Amino acid sequence: GQQLNQSPQSMFIQEGEDVSMNCTSSSIFNTWLWYKQEPGEGPVLLIALYKAGELTSNGRLTAQFGITRKDSFLNISASIPSDVGIYFCAGLSGNTPLVFGKGTRLSVIA
Amino acid sequence: ETGVTQTPRHLVMGMTNKKSLKCEQHLGHNAMYWYKQSAKKPLELMFVYNFKEQTENNSVPSRFSPECPNSSHLFLHLHTLQPEDSALYLCASSQEYKKTFNRGFSGNTIYFGEGSWLTVV
Repeated sequence: GQQLNQSPQSMFIQEGEDVSMNCTSSSIFNTWLWYKQEPGEGPVLLIALYKAGELTSNGRLTAQFGITRKDSFLNISASIPSDVGIYFCAGLSGNTPLVFGKGTRLSVIA
Repeated sequence: ETGVTQTPRHLVMGMTNKKSLKCEQHLGHNAMYWYKQSAKKPLELMFVYNFKEQTENNSVPSRFSPECPNSSHLFLHLHTLQPEDSALYLCASSQEYKKTFNRGFSGNTIYFGEGSWLTVV
């Protein structure tokens, strides 16, 4: 089946630093979604991307739908302690349900 | 506050018990989902209901039995579970569920509930 390779698996950064994570696949996707999950909670949708090349921001978060439709990245600028959590990418393509990456665990050191 | 609410948030049950998880969405959506989240594994889709009809069953064991009485409510009935079934069970909803996904179609974007932590002892 389709797989999403999400990297890095985990990150430890200093408060104020910028963060970048990405998802890649050998398959083409029509939709890319980015979620954040905090401990004990369900994933919360951060950004949804529906067109190749689309660049969308949500506050300090920016995500892009890759031109090849096989990848997407999420950037967080000027990280703060509340950015801590697990970030998941998810993709939709063809006739398959949503596919999730394994997540990037972000830790922010104050 | 999430538009998808799940109860109970935490459940401990024995292997011979019968219990149910409940999900309700207040978003006016027509599709509802159950996902399982285990440690160090990607989110696993279990079931999809679209307009109250089950459209996906991802080879889920019969000890998990879903029920969707209407587009706003979804249940997961549990019986004779195993300890390895302990996980976070997430309900989600979307505007609808389309098998043939068109570019630019946003109706399949799913929104999750807060999850139900299940421990089988």
